[in-house]
Amino acid sequence: EVQLVESGGGLVQPGGSLRLSCAASGLTVSSTYMSWVRQAPGKGLEWVSVIYTGGSTYYADSVKGRFTISRDNSKNTQYLQMNSLRVDDTAVYYCARGLAFIDSWGQGTLVTVSS
Amino acid sequence: EIVMTQSPATLSVSPGERATLSCRASQSVGNNLAWYQQKPGQTPRLLIHGASTRATGIPARFSGSGSGTEFTLTISSLQSEDFAVYYCQQYNNWPRTFGQGTKVEIK
Repeated sequence: EVQLVESGGGLVQPGGSLRLSCAASGLTVSSTYMSWVRQAPGKGLEWVSVIYTGGSTYYADSVKGRFTISRDNSKNTQYLQMNSLRVDDTAVYYCARGLAFIDSWGQGTLVTVSS
Repeated sequence: EIVMTQSPATLSVSPGERATLSCRASQSVGNNLAWYQQKPGQTPRLLIHGASTRATGIPARFSGSGSGTEFTLTISSLQSEDFAVYYCQQYNNWPRTFGQGTKVEIK
C-alpha cells in the first residue's frame, strides 16, 4: 500500500521560507513521477511541481524561480523548498504520485503565509 | 494554459437519482482527462482517467465519457457517500489544470 506523509508546514511571514518533506512507503521515489499539488482554503486544486524519474523538474508559473522540488533516494523522500513566500501561497500542500494524473495523495500539510 | 470549466457549480440530487456533471476544455485535450472526488476534510480520490477508465476500486456506478473538449461524469444512482466535490483535470498539456469543481449536494 502506498503511503505519503507530508511534514514541514506551518505559519511563515511573507518573504520567508519553508521546506516541505514527503516520506514515501510502498513506492520508490527515484522510480516514480512525484508531484506537489496545492489547494488554497476553500478553493480548487493547482498542480505546483513535478520531478521526473530522470530528475528533470517542472514548475507552475506561479512558483517558478521560488520553489524547488527535489528528492533523497536514500530516505525515499521528496521535498519542496519554498522561498520568497507570498500570501497567495497559503494552501494545503499535497504530496502526490503521478505525472499525468494523481493516483496517490498524502494527507497534506498546511502552509499559512501571513504577517 | 488550458482552462477547464465545470458545470454546474452545484448540483442538488436525491439519493438514488442520476447525476451528470460536465467539464469543458478551452482546447482539445484528446482523452487525457481525469476526474477526482473530494469529500470535506479529505484528500482527493482519483475516479476516472483516460476520460472513461475507472481507477482501481471505483464502483461501476461512476462512468466517464467524452473526448476533445467536452466530457461528462455520470453517477448512475447516487449513494450517501457520493455527496462531495468533483474535479476534472486535463493532462494533455503543461501546466496540468483542474476545473473549479462541482459540488454534489443532497436535495
